[in-house]
Amino acid sequence: TQLLEQSPQFLSIQEGENLTVYCNSSSVFSSLQWYRQEPGEGPVLLVTVVTGGEVKKLKRLTFQFGDARKDSSLHITAAQPGDTGLYLCAGGGTGYKLSFGAGTTVTVRA
Amino acid sequence: GAGVSQSPSNKVTEKGKDVELRCDPISGHTALYWYRQSLGQGLEFLIYFQGNSAPDKSGLPSDRFSAERTGGSVSTLTIQRTQQEDSAVYLCASSFGQRHSPLHFGNGTRLTVT
Repeated sequence: TQLLEQSPQFLSIQEGENLTVYCNSSSVFSSLQWYRQEPGEGPVLLVTVVTGGEVKKLKRLTFQFGDARKDSSLHITAAQPGDTGLYLCAGGGTGYKLSFGAGTTVTVRA
Repeated sequence: GAGVSQSPSNKVTEKGKDVELRCDPISGHTALYWYRQSLGQGLEFLIYFQGNSAPDKSGLPSDRFSAERTGGSVSTLTIQRTQQEDSAVYLCASSFGQRHSPLHFGNGTRLTVT
């Protein structure tokens, strides 16, 4: 059973369009991390958010942590083919174990 | 600098055989994790090592799975009497082991059990 639900599962858009990926849970997390994974490689950390309501921007990527620390979103502005990949959210509890969502596969067409 | 290294990158084995998967973490990282990733699924936690503490084995799916970490560095994940449902990508990650520390992943071992 996944503690973190990601939606949508798949997303295909044209270069230049915007997209949003959601990560939801019934559990409260002390932190939320977003990773991107490309085929044949391991996930790579994009950002960590720890405060409820926190918004972080990384160039064209905007990450938000919900006020109740149960949900998060990733918004990409003017997507580029290089943004293609599997986006994974991971929630941290009081300890060290990260629970991962099933991921959203994003395809940006040139 | 060197990242997390996993070997082999691919492994095909017959049902019933034993396999060993190796992970070389980043130097200085005290925490080491093993995850399993099946098609269409997220990362399933298997086991966690932190320094000299007893490992958290709560994610191991059966007693056919075991892992060890020698000298606080290299780790080996062993699967005995492999089954077809063991087919997946096995990912290793290391970190500084502090709260909110990012995980640094290797590229995984793709295991196929025929």
